Amino acid sequence: AQSVAQPEDQVNVAEGNPLTVKCTYSVSGNPYLFWYVQYPNRGLQFLLKYITGDNLVKGSYGFEAEFNKSQTSFHLKKPSALVSDSALYFCAVRDGGFKTIFGAGTRLFVKA
Amino acid sequence: DVKVTQSSRYLVKRTGEKVFLECVQDMDHENMFWYRQDPGLGLRLIYFSYDVKMKEKGDIPEGYSVSREKKERFSLILESASTNQTSMYLCASSPPTGSSYNEQFFGPGTRLTVL
Repeated sequence: AQSVAQPEDQVNVAEGNPLTVKCTYSVSGNPYLFWYVQYPNRGLQFLLKYITGDNLVKGSYGFEAEFNKSQTSFHLKKPSALVSDSALYFCAVRDGGFKTIFGAGTRLFVKA
Repeated sequence: DVKVTQSSRYLVKRTGEKVFLECVQDMDHENMFWYRQDPGLGLRLIYFSYDVKMKEKGDIPEGYSVSREKKERFSLILESASTNQTSMYLCASSPPTGSSYNEQFFGPGTRLTVL
């Protein structure tokens, strides 16, 4: 069965510092991996995805994620955090079928 | 831009009422989904539909039903609302499985409170 783990409920980082939001997954077959962001009182917004190819995926707003097959991880990163990056981030995995499994979410706080 | 709209942002209902949540997408997507979002639990799939009049149960279908009479519209029905159905409900759509754009596009959500 598919599963996604986001081991941190909350990540705190100072503005200008690099940020990492962690995600590990379990899926049979080749994984399709996604990151979504949710700003307050809004729906989820797609950030980036890994389907195949380069392990480093670049997405919206300067975010990137690194796919590591041996560690079954797909961590979200940004070299320099902004206060406006403060939001709830969800990692998700899909095995090529209809269903996508979402992690519990990680709340990112960026302090000025 | 893909647009997914939901009929209400906030809704307050009483226990036992029948509740309809409507979702409309404008990108001719085949797949549509209903999730509920609860703190610490992430998003859990209630139902999905991969074509008109087709529906499949997700992980937590109990107490819910759905209707898809037209491609652009996917309705979630709470047959008899209960307090444990107080939650944020998110609708999403996506192109068919296997197409290159297979991320989901989400509506703004409906925060339902059942008293």
